[in-house]
Amino acid sequence: DGGITQSPKYLFRKEGQNVTLSCEQNLNHDAMYWYRQDPGQGLRLIYYSQIVNDFQKGDIAEGYSVSREKKESFPLTVTSAQKNPTAFYLCASSIGGHEQFFGPGTRLTVL
Amino acid sequence: AQKITQTQPGMFVQEKEAVTLDCTYDTSDPSYGLFWYKQPSSGEMIFLIYQGSYDQQNATEGRYSLNFQKARKSANLVISASQLGDSATYFCAMAAGTSYGKLTFGQGTILTVHP
Repeated sequence: DGGITQSPKYLFRKEGQNVTLSCEQNLNHDAMYWYRQDPGQGLRLIYYSQIVNDFQKGDIAEGYSVSREKKESFPLTVTSAQKNPTAFYLCASSIGGHEQFFGPGTRLTVL
Repeated sequence: AQKITQTQPGMFVQEKEAVTLDCTYDTSDPSYGLFWYKQPSSGEMIFLIYQGSYDQQNATEGRYSLNFQKARKSANLVISASQLGDSATYFCAMAAGTSYGKLTFGQGTILTVHP
């Protein structure tokens, strides 16, 4: 079955640590996205990539980094520079400007 | 810059009745797309319906329809014959112009369907 997988589902991090969230898709989509969702809020774009080996900052990129070495994979690293990283992180993919398909999300908690 | 406004934090509807969720948008780009997503308590975002700015007719997908009023910059979602499984948070989103593909989301509306 085609789809988007994110791992882990729950992640706990100590202050000062970097953590990497995984996102894999087998939909053969060129574009991939990372969003952050805080309680009671909509989604905000962190980074996006329209093609392999290329990515752009979204609205809230500070404290985050990404890579796009393969079409299927778009991992997100939450660095220690991100001051308030506790949130729900959603990965998505799409063909161009069409609808985005989302993964199940990762809940990150900083201890 | 694009902006999406959802003014209804919460809505209640009786099972089998219809409900309208409001969405207004703001963009200076003539080319844009409007999307509605459903987010159940599990957290996953489920795509429901899409309306392009140049589409002449309102979009429909099963029990979902989009009431698109371009002059008023509104794109309201209508759910007919509500079901208990429709209880979720609903988000309106937009992608516009050269940033087509980047979605801007509203704050969401929590819909509760009563039996």
